[in-house]
Amino acid sequence: SAVISQKPSRDICQRGTSLTIQCQVDSQVTMMFWYRQQPGQSLTLIATANQGSEATYESGFVIDKFPISRPNLTFSTLTVSNMSPEDSSIYLCSVVGSGGAGSYNEQFFGPGTRLTVL
Amino acid sequence: TQLLEQSPQFLSIQEGENLTVYCNSSSVFSSLQWYRQEPGEGPVLLVTVVTGGEVKKLKRLTFQFGDARKDSSLHITAAQPGDTGLYLCAGAYSGYSTLTFGKGTMLLVSP
Repeated sequence: SAVISQKPSRDICQRGTSLTIQCQVDSQVTMMFWYRQQPGQSLTLIATANQGSEATYESGFVIDKFPISRPNLTFSTLTVSNMSPEDSSIYLCSVVGSGGAGSYNEQFFGPGTRLTVL
Repeated sequence: TQLLEQSPQFLSIQEGENLTVYCNSSSVFSSLQWYRQEPGEGPVLLVTVVTGGEVKKLKRLTFQFGDARKDSSLHITAAQPGDTGLYLCAGAYSGYSTLTFGKGTMLLVSP
């Protein structure tokens, strides 16, 4: 399994500002994902962060609102731009296991970033 | 778009009781995973099932994969307060690199 850290762990932001969330992995991984989660509810995939190319966004999410960087195989950032209270949520990054026998797209998650927008 | 139904959405029980959580899809999974998430943490992988009819046990947790690989269940025996958390099933479909998550089951086990 991979060890994943996220910064910040939580933040309270003003409407109209932007926040960049960092995700650091302790090993090189091919696939990284960004999710949004309302407390106590399931995960919604925002995008797949691709190393060396643009992120692949899911329906309902756009690059202008959620720009993503993936400069190398151990690091990614997600920016929540021009925030509104509706963006208040938990943001999680995850990676697919490093492979080998028995690996079936299992994902390992960071601890999440709890964002509150006032 | 694949849909993955999970039930119940919320379960509140007393310590020592048994419970079962269900996960169903109209499509065949290539694999299915169960995760548990505690407040303030990310989901943690509990188990992966791959073969139709497969049964896996993790202490008091029993995971079953349907014969047709379209459904799965998680059974907890003699639940304890430490089992409290959000349980998520997630299916991998052939040809897709992403996972489809169920809506989750919030389990509360009271002493």
